[in-house]
Amino acid sequence: SQTIHQWPATLVQPVGSPLSLECTVEGTSNPNLYWYRQAAGRGLQLLFYSVGIGQISSEVPQNLSASRPQDRQFILSSKKLLLSDSGFYLCAWSRNRGTQNTEAFFGQGTRLTVV
Amino acid sequence: SQKIEQNSEALNIQEGKTATLTCNYTNYSPAYLQWYRQDPGRGPVFLLLIRENEKEKRKERLKVTFDTTLKQSLFHITASQPADSATYLCALEDRGSTLGRLYFGRGTQLTVWP
Repeated sequence: SQTIHQWPATLVQPVGSPLSLECTVEGTSNPNLYWYRQAAGRGLQLLFYSVGIGQISSEVPQNLSASRPQDRQFILSSKKLLLSDSGFYLCAWSRNRGTQNTEAFFGQGTRLTVV
Repeated sequence: SQKIEQNSEALNIQEGKTATLTCNYTNYSPAYLQWYRQDPGRGPVFLLLIRENEKEKRKERLKVTFDTTLKQSLFHITASQPADSATYLCALEDRGSTLGRLYFGRGTQLTVWP
């Protein structure tokens, strides 16, 4: 069976500090990978998505970047955090678009507070 | 521009009634619509998927419809229970591009009271 791991669960970071959130998927190959951010009481904003190693697409201009160094590893980073980067970050994976079953499976999320 | 919208932020209904949630999307074709449940502090959990060429899907007490003319999907929970209280998210899967982007609406917070 497939599983997705995202860590840490909570993080408090000072303004201007770097960020690295990691997400790994097990039990599948060549997944689509996503990073979403959810502000309090809001929907999920798509930040980055990837259809393969080294292939990253950004949805919105921001202070964050993403990398996919391995097939089942997706990393969200920032060199200098801003207060506005606070939020609930979710990693997700789905099967390749060529399949019919394309629902997304989410990690537990990371609650990031920038102080 | 907003690709997918859920017009109601909150819906309160009495136990036993049918809850109906609405999702509207912009002109993506072909499109798949997905529905998720999210509990506080947790990631969304997939419930149902409906394709553009399907009019209705059912799963236990859940029913989803798709109207391509109105560009709208309706999500129904029949015989609702307090345990159904959660935020329900609609998501649009863009099947018309080479990339599998998945866009979410803001969600509707459903409260079922006894």
